[in-house]
Amino acid sequence: GIQVEQSPPDLILQEGANSTLRCNFSDSVNNLQWFHQNPWGQLINLFYIPSGTKQNGRLSATTVATERYSLLYISSSQTTDSGVYFCAAYAGNNRKLIWGLGTSLGVNP
Amino acid sequence: DSGVTQTPKHLITATGQRVTLRCSPRSGDLSVYWYQQSLDQGLQFLIHYYNGEERAKGNILERFSAQQFPDLHSELNLSSLELGDSALYFCASSVVSNTNYGYTFGSGTRLTVV
Repeated sequence: GIQVEQSPPDLILQEGANSTLRCNFSDSVNNLQWFHQNPWGQLINLFYIPSGTKQNGRLSATTVATERYSLLYISSSQTTDSGVYFCAAYAGNNRKLIWGLGTSLGVNP
Repeated sequence: DSGVTQTPKHLITATGQRVTLRCSPRSGDLSVYWYQQSLDQGLQFLIHYYNGEERAKGNILERFSAQQFPDLHSELNLSSLELGDSALYFCASSVVSNTNYGYTFGSGTRLTVV
């Protein structure tokens, strides 16, 4: 089946640094989404981004569906950005959202 | 507040017991999805309901069952609980049943089986 791979698995940043998180998928997928799970476990939908680029404040995401990857950019990171970032997508007619294992991000003050 | 309400937030129970987790979707959302997140694992899709009907099933154990009621709230029933069932259980809702919209997640129910 479709594999969704995220890199890096872990990342530690100093506050104010920028970072890029990557999501690769093994086959064509639909409707890629990025989520943030904060240290308290809450999951928040960041972007619904099947293709192209979107920006929301210090976060932006780009999906290049033809090359089977998506990137999440975090600029001027803050300690509140800490947590796990997941990407997820549907594959073909499969109604199940397939999740990557996440990138665990820690931002130090 | 995401608009998706899950209760209870925490649950501690013994092996062999049965529990019911409840999810109220965002107002206007017809789809409810259930996920299990075990320690150090990603999210595992369990089941999807749309307007009362089961639409897709993931890796849901036979000991687990779910339903969506006419008022669109959903319940996930876990029976004959085992230690390995300890996990964070999320529900998410979306407005439609297809894949064109993002999800909104509830804050989860943390289940501990002792």
